[in-house]
Amino acid sequence: DQQVKQNSPSLSVQEGRISILNCDYTNSMFDYFLWYKKYPAEGPTFLISISSIKDKNEDGRFTVFLNKSAKHLSLHIVPSQPGDSAVYFCAASARTRGQKLVFGQGTRLTINP
Amino acid sequence: DSGVTQTPKHLITATGQRVTLRCSPRSGDLSVYWYQQSLDQGLQFLIQYYNGEERAKGNILERFSAQQFPDLHSELNLSSLELGDSALYFCASSFSGGDGYTFGSGTRLTVV
Repeated sequence: DQQVKQNSPSLSVQEGRISILNCDYTNSMFDYFLWYKKYPAEGPTFLISISSIKDKNEDGRFTVFLNKSAKHLSLHIVPSQPGDSAVYFCAASARTRGQKLVFGQGTRLTINP
Repeated sequence: DSGVTQTPKHLITATGQRVTLRCSPRSGDLSVYWYQQSLDQGLQFLIQYYNGEERAKGNILERFSAQQFPDLHSELNLSSLELGDSALYFCASSFSGGDGYTFGSGTRLTVV
């Protein structure tokens, strides 16, 4: 039972354009959502998060959008840079219940010059 | 430096052997999580400890075990190693269960 799904294993975007990574979830109890970025042979690093009381959170070039009715969130990167090439993991938790994060399978983003 | 320390960074061992991976959580964090990543696949959750007690179990093999000590550091023990156990093993920590995690840089285990 995969509660968090990233249906695109990979995405290729031209430098300077917008990268949009998508994530779907099934558990309506999830109230906290995060994106992690992972370079090869390194641990995932926290990128941005959003609480279920909001529908948008922005941090520099990164914006996360949450559509609760569709149980869908997305990460927008504008403009995309070569250093953004990495694997991106979506994660969710029922934070108010203290439950652990559930991770998606990841999307490999490649930014082409 | 994320504040989560994993040792060793690399480990090469033979099939049938036993190894211990160590993790020191970020200061103040009570929860420790172990994940396995094979061949650039997703993060497979193995086990969680909270303040010394096992809190959640994932896809952890019976040959694997873990514990969290009073000083909150954790060890993951892998025994009767098989070639398929070769992977990156990540430790993460958080203050409580639902918060975001801080990951260590991982231990790369190679079984030959």
